[in-house]
Amino acid sequence: AQSVAQPEDQVNVAEGNPLTVKCTYSVSGNPYLFWYVQYPNRGLQFLLKYITGDNLVKGSYGFEAEFNKSQTSFHLKKPSALVSDSALYFCAVSRLYGNNRLAFGKGNQVVVIP
Amino acid sequence: SQTIHQWPATLVQPVGSPLSLECTVEGTSNPNLYWYRQAAGRGLQLLFYSVVIGQISSEVPQNLSASRPQDRQFILSSKKLLLSDSGFYLCAWMTGGGNTIYFGEGSWLTVV
Repeated sequence: AQSVAQPEDQVNVAEGNPLTVKCTYSVSGNPYLFWYVQYPNRGLQFLLKYITGDNLVKGSYGFEAEFNKSQTSFHLKKPSALVSDSALYFCAVSRLYGNNRLAFGKGNQVVVIP
Repeated sequence: SQTIHQWPATLVQPVGSPLSLECTVEGTSNPNLYWYRQAAGRGLQLLFYSVVIGQISSEVPQNLSASRPQDRQFILSSKKLLLSDSGFYLCAWMTGGGNTIYFGEGSWLTVV
């Protein structure tokens, strides 16, 4: 079965500094990898995904993520964090040729300090 | 474009009362449909999913049930709510044969 680890409960970063949210995954076969963001009392919003091709994928709101097969990682990054980026971020994985059910990480709370 | 609607947004129900949360998707046909629950503290748990009308797969045995009476309608129900059913319920969809799941805005359920 597939699984995701998001090792940090909370990430604090100063506004304007680079933001990184870590994610490692475990899956048999080739993975589909996703990042979602959740603002308070809202549903999850899709940010970006890796399916195949270029290991660096770009998504909404200036976010990007890099797929690293050897390290089984898919870290989310943003070069310059905004206060409005403060939210809960979820990494998720599903299996290529599987049934497309996602396994989610526990989420990372990102706090961007003005 | 596709949209997903989920209601009610908030619900306060007494223990032992029934539950019905409804979700509809517009702008697509034959979607995969999902119900997730997010307990306090974040974790997302897949409750039910459906890849075709009338077919429901249950991930976790519990006090809840799901139905798909129409192609783009997904309903989460309970006959008798428990305190432990409180949480944030999220409906989601994916294009049949696709790879990305999209979520509704969620429904807050408080069982008192």
